[in-house]
Amino acid sequence: AQSVAQPEDQVNVAEGNPLTVKCTYSVSGNPYLFWYVQYPNRGLQFLLKYITGDNLVKGSYGFEAEFNKSQTSFHLKKPSALVSDSALYFCAVRRYNTDKLIFGTGTRLQVFP
Amino acid sequence: EPEVTQTPSHQVTQMGQEVILHCVPISNHLYFYWYRQILGQKVEFLVSFYNNEISEKSEIFDDQFSVERPDGSNFTLKIRSTKLEDSAMYFCASRDAGLNNEQFFGPGTRLTVL
Repeated sequence: AQSVAQPEDQVNVAEGNPLTVKCTYSVSGNPYLFWYVQYPNRGLQFLLKYITGDNLVKGSYGFEAEFNKSQTSFHLKKPSALVSDSALYFCAVRRYNTDKLIFGTGTRLQVFP
Repeated sequence: EPEVTQTPSHQVTQMGQEVILHCVPISNHLYFYWYRQILGQKVEFLVSFYNNEISEKSEIFDDQFSVERPDGSNFTLKIRSTKLEDSAMYFCASRDAGLNNEQFFGPGTRLTVL
């Protein structure tokens, strides 16, 4: 069965510091991996995806994520956090032969000035 | 920038009543989805829809649920007889052709069943 784990309910970071939001997955076959962000009263906004190729993928707003097959992880990173990055972040996985996304429970990122 | 829209933003209904949630996907998209998120829980897949038929559905999507694309722009989710446990945020999503492409989500409809 497919599953996604986001082990941290909340991540706190000071503005200007690097941030990491963790995600591990379990899926048979090659995974398609996604990060979405949710701001209050907004839908899920796509940030970035890994399908194949380079393990480091870059996305919107300066975010990037690294696919690590051996550790089955897809951690979201940003070199320098902004207060405006404060939001709820969701990792999702899709198996290559289905179209449904399986989401993690979400991690709330709080960036303090 | 094109976006998925959903109406209403909040729907309150009595248990046993029928509700229809409305979505307008991005205009050139071909694949449509419904997800839901019960308060405090993860986002869960309900159903995917392509070429006027359901392509995949979850165990949650039982006979009480149905989807329809009544015209060229709308995509609806109907719950025939709502239950208390149907209270959740319902998200519509769409994507264009190409299995590698990401799904774009609407802002959600909060359904409250009393």
